Amino acid sequence: GAGVSQSPSNKVTEKGKDVELRCDPISGHTALYWYRQSLGQGLEFLIYFQGNSAPDKSGLPSDRFSAERTGGSVSTLTIQRTQQEDSAVYLCASSFQGDAGTDTQYFGPGTRLTVL
Amino acid sequence: SQQGEEDPQALSIQEGENATMNCSYKTSINNLQWYRQNSGRGLVHLILIRSNEREKHSGRLRVTLDTSKKSSSLLITASRAADTASYFCATVRTGGGNKLTFGTGTQLKVEL
Repeated sequence: GAGVSQSPSNKVTEKGKDVELRCDPISGHTALYWYRQSLGQGLEFLIYFQGNSAPDKSGLPSDRFSAERTGGSVSTLTIQRTQQEDSAVYLCASSFQGDAGTDTQYFGPGTRLTVL
Repeated sequence: SQQGEEDPQALSIQEGENATMNCSYKTSINNLQWYRQNSGRGLVHLILIRSNEREKHSGRLRVTLDTSKKSSSLLITASRAADTASYFCATVRTGGGNKLTFGTGTQLKVEL
């Protein structure tokens, strides 16, 4: 079946503008994760949705970052008033049930965000 | 924040040779996973080893886990040029939900 898809694949924006990044998880996966990868920070966790539970937002770097997951499927990561340090590849992943012992996360191709 | 370190940071070998990458981590874990990344984009899951397992095989991959030393190794046997990629270990911390904490990665280059 189809894997995790993300859009856009590349986004160039000007400092101070808002951006929205979209993630379509694998159908039937209840857990959805956002990570980002940058030269300075490596791969880091941002936010995690599991079913109807409150999301784990512990990795969001500032209040300019937010995410929502509508209908338990598609997720949107929003960055407000973008800064140059937000430039990174934003990766989305999904997993079947979020079981900490055995679950495998499947990653999308990422969105490369460049803030000028 | 990074869970730990991987070494080497970069590894260059000839096709047919074995490649070994090591990963260290800092906290108690539920499982440890290895991922491959080509061209700085999507991550491909390779193998998952649970905290109560010591060794696992998948095709040409062999993973070991030593929870007393908080370390893991990934061995790729009979390497191929197509194995050229970055390899990351990632841990699921005990009590930390299912989010992954990644290591710093090893860049592997397999030359013909």
